[in-house]
Amino acid sequence: EADIYQTPRYLVIGTGKKITLECSQTMGHDKMYWYQQDPGMELHLIHYSYGVNSTEKGDLSSESTVSRIRTEHFPLTLESARPSHTSQYLCASSELHNSYEQYFGPGTRLTVT
Amino acid sequence: QKEVEQDPGPLSVPEGAIVSLNCTYSNSAFQYFMWYRQYSRKGPELLMYTYSSGNKEDGRFTAQVDKSSKYISLFIRDSQPSDSATYLCAMSANFNKFYFGSGTKLNVKP
Repeated sequence: EADIYQTPRYLVIGTGKKITLECSQTMGHDKMYWYQQDPGMELHLIHYSYGVNSTEKGDLSSESTVSRIRTEHFPLTLESARPSHTSQYLCASSELHNSYEQYFGPGTRLTVT
Repeated sequence: QKEVEQDPGPLSVPEGAIVSLNCTYSNSAFQYFMWYRQYSRKGPELLMYTYSSGNKEDGRFTAQVDKSSKYISLFIRDSQPSDSATYLCAMSANFNKFYFGSGTKLNVKP
């Protein structure tokens, strides 16, 4: 089983709150990713990182931000949650050069009321 | 237009059947093709990886890529109830960004 962890697993929060979704991996992978997954829809890449101090935006427009201060940690922050942010958020990691194999965490199901 | 199209199913088959799952894509630059399996309430896990065109076999699973038709397939032989999951195709041109299909939900009935 992949050593990649996400907390919390489920979060229900009110509109306007600031939230941080945590993601950690113990495999020493350089690349890390955040995806958004809605039922019956494709995974959309929202952020990725090549390593410490590297962050890139994906194709899906997102109001979230990420940081990569440590190799193993890649948190995602929403400054002001809105109902449109309700979704499943998946974190993944991979080696830098053989990144066809991404290891996914179990996901965080976020509901904004 | 979506980069990757995948029939969402659900697909229901009896145990032992041969299953065919498919994706089409529009970007001719894609050359890395993956199949992931996702069980309920879990993250996806890599099942098969193929580079460029051709076939790849791993046990009961065979992945096929036809770049001329922009079409990829995953075949599952002797399907088992434990194969019941959502199968996602994914592809990339250069390993910078990955594009996933919406997934096909498979149910294998005992």
